[in-house]
Amino acid sequence: AQTVTQSQPEMSVQEAETVTLSCTYDTSESDYYLFWYKQPPSRQMILVIRQEAYKQQNATENRFSVNFQKAAKSFSLKISDSQLGDAAMYFCAYTVNDMRFGAGTRLTVKP
Amino acid sequence: SAVISQKPSRDICQRGTSLTIQCQVDSQVTMMFWYRQQPGQSLTLIATANQGSEATYESGFVIDKFPISRPNLTFSTLTVSNMSPEDSSIYLCSVALGDTSEQYFGPGTRLTVT
Repeated sequence: AQTVTQSQPEMSVQEAETVTLSCTYDTSESDYYLFWYKQPPSRQMILVIRQEAYKQQNATENRFSVNFQKAAKSFSLKISDSQLGDAAMYFCAYTVNDMRFGAGTRLTVKP
Repeated sequence: SAVISQKPSRDICQRGTSLTIQCQVDSQVTMMFWYRQQPGQSLTLIATANQGSEATYESGFVIDKFPISRPNLTFSTLTVSNMSPEDSSIYLCSVALGDTSEQYFGPGTRLTVT
């Protein structure tokens, strides 16, 4: 079974600082996709970043980047220069056919 | 990406009644999904709804309780039947786009059952 684990229920970061959110997953597949989604209090799920498992290069989207370690089945999200608007629940997700989500990490940004 | 709308955005319902949630997409998509998100929890897939075929339900979800329609490539409905307070949740629809299977989500429907 595919499982996604986010070991940090809550994280806090000072505005303008950097924070890393952890995610591990378990799969026997070799070809799959990984995602980070953001869910602010408005509850709209927003795709933050995507990583294809066959790509060794880590994905980057502006202030968001990932550290993808395929052998370790690890997929962490780094948020640089944190902004107040980054405060949200962050979900790590894995998909081959169906998408499976981790339990989420609530990120607080302190001014 | 895709623009997805859901109706209603929220509702308060009496136990024993049913509610139908609508999901509309601004482009034609093959795969649509329905999720449930209980308060403070992650997303749980209810079913996959592909146009022209019966919905595929995940373990723990049955068609009698959560009937789904998918009449065309831009629209789907989820009905929550014979509701109980345990059905109080946010219900989200999503669509899968492109070769990467990334999903885009609607704004969700917050359901409270009293």
